[in-house]
Amino acid sequence: GQNIDQPTEMTATEGAIVQINCTYQTSGFNGLFWYQQHAGEAPTFLSYNVLDGLEEKGRFSSFLSRSKGYSYLLLKELQMKDSASYLCAVRDGDYKLSFGAGTTVTVRA
Amino acid sequence: IAGITQAPTSQILAAGRRMTLRCTQDMRHNAMYWYRQDLGLGLRLIHYSNTAGTTGKGEVPDGYSVSRANTDDFPLTLASAVPSQTSVYFCASSETSGGASDTQYFGPGTRLTVL
Repeated sequence: GQNIDQPTEMTATEGAIVQINCTYQTSGFNGLFWYQQHAGEAPTFLSYNVLDGLEEKGRFSSFLSRSKGYSYLLLKELQMKDSASYLCAVRDGDYKLSFGAGTTVTVRA
Repeated sequence: IAGITQAPTSQILAAGRRMTLRCTQDMRHNAMYWYRQDLGLGLRLIHYSNTAGTTGKGEVPDGYSVSRANTDDFPLTLASAVPSQTSVYFCASSETSGGASDTQYFGPGTRLTVL
C-alpha cells in the first residue's frame, strides 16, 4: 500500500511563514499534488510537482525531492483565510492518487 | 458555471437501505473518481472510471458499485448501507487519467449518515 505522512496540526501567526512537510513511500511515482480544503468544503488544487525543485505560485511554494520521498508546502505572509487543511497527494505508478490525512493549519491574529 | 455537482448535499439513511449518490460534470472530462473522507484517514479512493463505459476498483470498493453510461455522469450506489459507510463522499474528475499533470477537480461532497 501507499504511505503518506504529514503533521496533523500546525499553528502560526498572521503574516508569518509556515512549512508543511510530507513524506511518502509509494509504488511508483507520477507527481505530487497539494490541495487546500476549508472546513465543510471540497479540496481545491494548489500545486503540482513532478521534477525535483521548487515551484512558486504567489504566496505558496511547493518543493519536491524524489530521492528522499519528501515534499513541503510553504505558505508565506499568512492570512486568516489560509486557515484550512492542506492535503498532500501522490500519484502512483498506476496514476491513482493517494492522499495523506491532511494538516490542519490555524492562523492566529 | 462549469464544474462538478453532487446530490444530495446530505442524507440520513437507515441501515440496510439502498442509496445512490449522484455526480455530474460538465467539463467533458474523461476520468471520474469517487472518494470517501473520514477523520484522520484522509481521502480514500472507492471506484474510478478512466473513460465512459469503463470502471475500476480503488482502495475501498467493498459495499459500493458504480456505472459510467456516459461522459458526464458517475453515480455511486450503496446496495445495502451499513453504519461504517457513514462518511463524506467526494466525486472528482480529471481531463484524462494518465496525463503527466492531470489535476483532479472535486465536487462539493455528500455527507452521508447511516444509522
